[in-house]
Amino acid sequence: KAGVTQTPRYLIKTRGQQVTLSCSPISGHRSVSWYQQTPGQGLQFLFEYFSETQRNKGNFPGRFSGRQFSNSRSEMNVSTLELGDSALYLCASSLAGYSAEQYFGPGTRLTVT
Amino acid sequence: LAKTTQPISMDSYEGQEVNITCSHNNIATNDYITWYQQFPSQGPRFIIQGYKTKVTNEVASLFIPADRKSSTLSLPRVSLSDTAVYYCLVGDGGGATNKLIFGTGTLLAVQP
Repeated sequence: KAGVTQTPRYLIKTRGQQVTLSCSPISGHRSVSWYQQTPGQGLQFLFEYFSETQRNKGNFPGRFSGRQFSNSRSEMNVSTLELGDSALYLCASSLAGYSAEQYFGPGTRLTVT
Repeated sequence: LAKTTQPISMDSYEGQEVNITCSHNNIATNDYITWYQQFPSQGPRFIIQGYKTKVTNEVASLFIPADRKSSTLSLPRVSLSDTAVYYCLVGDGGGATNKLIFGTGTLLAVQP
């Protein structure tokens, strides 16, 4: 079956703009989590959605938001972009449940200039 | 939140067995231990998961002592393509969530 897909793969934005990233989970997976990866901070958890509800949230400012649709596809939005938001944004899907095996997408490389 | 400690880097040669140890002193009773592998500019890939004793699959083994305060990922006969960052994770101890807490990981460099 198809893996997790993320669009776009690469993105260049200017400070102050906003951006929306998209993630399509593996068919049948209801949980989608988002992570930010930077050289300095490593992989950090942003939030998780399950059946259209945010189930858990990491320590990121309110500029980072997300949502999940009824088909489990998820979007992540970052408003008022800052230079420090340049990162690889990864989404992962899983069936459900506690510490279940997660399948990661290839990521979206966001560069803020 | 449970935290993990791993060596920052390890070196090995092709054909050798590699053991990467992870410490997780504050692991909760209902936490599982999971290992992921990540290549540059790619998302992490699940390797193996366990709760106690030993788990083996087609690519690795996971050894967990009785106190569960540490775990060891064993990669048999590594090849150049096993050069990657390996992350040890434990559950956040809080119910049905899929929040993964990644540490700094171990950069494994396999040489010919």
